[in-house]
Amino acid sequence: DIQMTQSPSTLSASVGDRVTITCRASQSVNNWLAWYQQKPGKAPKLLIYKASSLEFGVPSSFSGSGSGTEFTLTISSLQPDDFATYYCQQYYTYPLTFGGGTKVEIK
Amino acid sequence: EVHLVESGGRLVQPGGSLRLSCAASGFTFSSYWMTWVRQAPGKGLEWVANIKQDGSEIHYVDSVKGRFTISRDNAKNALYLQMNSLRAEDTAVYYCARHPRYGSGTYYNFDYWGQGTLVTVSS
Repeated sequence: DIQMTQSPSTLSASVGDRVTITCRASQSVNNWLAWYQQKPGKAPKLLIYKASSLEFGVPSSFSGSGSGTEFTLTISSLQPDDFATYYCQQYYTYPLTFGGGTKVEIK
Repeated sequence: EVHLVESGGRLVQPGGSLRLSCAASGFTFSSYWMTWVRQAPGKGLEWVANIKQDGSEIHYVDSVKGRFTISRDNAKNALYLQMNSLRAEDTAVYYCARHPRYGSGTYYNFDYWGQGTLVTVSS
């Protein structure tokens, strides 16, 4: 199975900050990687697919980059609505696997 | 608008069985791969199983193989998860989700999710 490791597990930041979350795969997933945002008690929401493609309707303050085994999700200017937990997911091979999550908290 | 609504979650004893359902609307259900993802309380996301448009191809995570069965009824726009021999570690919110189509192919990320249904396995 491909293991997905996110860092940090928790991130404290302020409104307006630039935030970067890293996701590393235990083997190459090419660019078959997605990012999701989840708020407490809610279903995850797709932000980025194919490593860097922005899902329709997602603010352009979100961006994704990377390929192979190392990927990043960047929020260019953190907004109050962005405080949430973020997950990466590989879909290069089965089983489909997620990272452990990064919780973005208010500093 | 795409809607996915799960149902069937409840408290069940270890070793018991449960059938989850997901009612889909707002899109051509028979044209999409569908999937179940779960989340244990306070934990991360775990993909469980998925199924091709016509049910001819199915995949499971190892931890549920032989115990869970995913199925679909395209005439009813419904997705199911039959869960047998339930264990405490199966306790989770179970989400139904859709795999998106881009061009003529399917990507195995998830673009729409239901609100989830809670399964609790405990004596």
